[in-house]
Amino acid sequence: AQSVTQLGSHVSVSEGALVLLRCNYSSSVPPYLFWYVQYPNQGLQLLLKYTSAATLVKGINGFEAEFKKSETSFHLTKPSAHMSDAAEYFCAVSGSSNTGKLIFGQGTTLQVKP
Amino acid sequence: EADIYQTPRYLVIGTGKKITLECSQTMGHDKMYWYQQDPGMELHLIHYSYGVNSTEKGDLSSESTVSRIRTEHFPLTLESARPSHTSQYLCASSEWTGGTGELFFGEGSRLTVL
Repeated sequence: AQSVTQLGSHVSVSEGALVLLRCNYSSSVPPYLFWYVQYPNQGLQLLLKYTSAATLVKGINGFEAEFKKSETSFHLTKPSAHMSDAAEYFCAVSGSSNTGKLIFGQGTTLQVKP
Repeated sequence: EADIYQTPRYLVIGTGKKITLECSQTMGHDKMYWYQQDPGMELHLIHYSYGVNSTEKGDLSSESTVSRIRTEHFPLTLESARPSHTSQYLCASSEWTGGTGELFFGEGSRLTVL
């Protein structure tokens, strides 16, 4: 079975500071990994995805994530936080069967302080 | 840009009422999904469909039912709503090619049952 664990349900940073959101996965097959962002009262929007190409993946809004197989991690980073980055962030792994299902982590709320 | 629409966005109803949450996509995707999201919690898959006349139960048991008569339409129905059904329901679709497909989400339907 596949699973995702996001370390830290709430992360608070100052505007301009580094953003680091942690995600660890468990998978018996090579995983496909995703980060989604959810703003209040909206659906989920894809930030970036890892699909077995480059291990460093660049996404929208200045975010990037690095796939580390040895650590089973896919942490999300951004060098400088903006107020507009405040949102809920979800890490997800593709399901083990060819159904297209994604298994989501519990989410991390990012707070950005002025 | 994703074109997947959910209606209603917000619904407040009394116990025992029948409700249908609508979901439509204009991308021609074969696979569609319903996720349930409680406040501050992760997303749980409750239904999915591979195509017309195909529906499957997801990982989280739900009293709701779905149908897929047309490719673009994937409605969710609750025959008799209860307060325990209060939640946000997110619809998504995917073209799912070889395991790298992303999910495109609607903006969600927030259901409150009194």
